[in-house]
Amino acid sequence: NAGVTQTPKFQVLKTGQSMTLQCAQDMNHNSMYWYRQDPGMGLRLIYYSASEGTTDKGEVPNGYNVSRLNKREFSLRLESAAPSQTSVYFCASRAMPGLAGGRSTDTQYFGPGTRLTVL
Amino acid sequence: AQSVSQHNHHVILSEAASLELGCNYSYGGTVNLFWYVQYPGQHLQLLLKYFSGDPLVKGIKGFEAEFIKSKFSFNLRKPSVQWSDTAEYFCAVSSFSNFGNEKLTFGTGTRLTIIP
Repeated sequence: NAGVTQTPKFQVLKTGQSMTLQCAQDMNHNSMYWYRQDPGMGLRLIYYSASEGTTDKGEVPNGYNVSRLNKREFSLRLESAAPSQTSVYFCASRAMPGLAGGRSTDTQYFGPGTRLTVL
Repeated sequence: AQSVSQHNHHVILSEAASLELGCNYSYGGTVNLFWYVQYPGQHLQLLLKYFSGDPLVKGIKGFEAEFIKSKFSFNLRKPSVQWSDTAEYFCAVSSFSNFGNEKLTFGTGTRLTIIP
């Protein structure tokens, strides 16, 4: 049971190049998330997928696209990388969406991160 | 919109000192609260969480946190820190989207350095 895995671990891009960050989880979780972590700013949500076939914008979606390929995999794409996208990217997963009107008892589990540098 | 404030950006302590890291949140509804820890070069790991019940929650590695609803606070404590506690600590609060899905809002983090 590997949990949440991410590839690649490190990547250097030139401005304008594109790339896709891959994330997979083997915990049969319904929900998946992409965050970016920047010094002094904590983690900010880019996109999330409540369940297979659905995606929604988070706090900082501009410049990114996502694909929920299947229940296991959730990819993040940078179509035209910019230096402002230099960051550490974390994928996370969670067992189930919160019940309407109720409270979640689930927890998000994080992957090891991808350190991206855009020159 | 909800927000989370961590007032201490960098805390330096000697081993065996007591620790308290502050966390305040703003949110009008029912909250779920979390503390995550990120050791150098590693990913985030859950330290402890509060959903309901006893407002004093105990987590791994001797950490605990107290939810004080009237103060909108969820401070993290440890009576005696160790060098291995050197890490960055993040407070987070959850809310629900239109899909009924939890979204976490994180504080900016507190870097804890323990001096042997």
